Amino acid sequence: EAQVTQNPRYLITVTGKKLTVTCSQNMNHEYMSWYRQDPGLGLRQIYYSMNVEVTDKGDVPEGYKVSRKEKRNFPLILESPSPNQTSLYFCASSLSRTDSYEQYFGPGTRLTVT
Amino acid sequence: QQPVQSPQAVILREGEDAVINCSSSKALYSVHWYRQKHGEAPVFLMILLKGGEQKGHDKISASFNEKKQQSSLYLTASQLSYSGTYFCGTDQTGANNLFFGTGTRLTVIP
Repeated sequence: EAQVTQNPRYLITVTGKKLTVTCSQNMNHEYMSWYRQDPGLGLRQIYYSMNVEVTDKGDVPEGYKVSRKEKRNFPLILESPSPNQTSLYFCASSLSRTDSYEQYFGPGTRLTVT
Repeated sequence: QQPVQSPQAVILREGEDAVINCSSSKALYSVHWYRQKHGEAPVFLMILLKGGEQKGHDKISASFNEKKQQSSLYLTASQLSYSGTYFCGTDQTGANNLFFGTGTRLTVIP
């Protein structure tokens, strides 16, 4: 089944404790992206990747890191989480980096930072 | 660069029609529409590429006015299953980087 998976689905952590949210897709998609969703603000892009070893900042990259060492995986790293990073996070992938295609979203990771 | 969606919320009775608008201040390559049900991930509905093409499937269709950088989503003869939050996403360059609106919450009641 074609899908985007994220782990963990729920995470409660404390300020400053490094964490990683994994994202994997099995559709051989070139393009992958991370979004955060907050009430009243819609989806905002954090980072995106157009191919292996190619990543770039989105709208709200501060406090986040990403890597793309393999085509299928695109982990999101919070080196020192803070309470303002409490949010719902979605990973998404899309077929191509050179044209506009539908994006497939993962199920989401709800992060709470205390 | 975030597009503006209107209305913010709408309540319909089954069978009624609705229009959701999405407007950008930037020139657009494409507009995407997604629907998100409570507690779930956004799900793709359709893409409209510049050229003003109108697309649709079933009773949900959309248009894209390239000159005005506006798109509209049309839901006809609404069903209970149409309830959810609708987001437009705008792509300015064709590189798939989407800016999403803040969403329109649609509620269909019996």
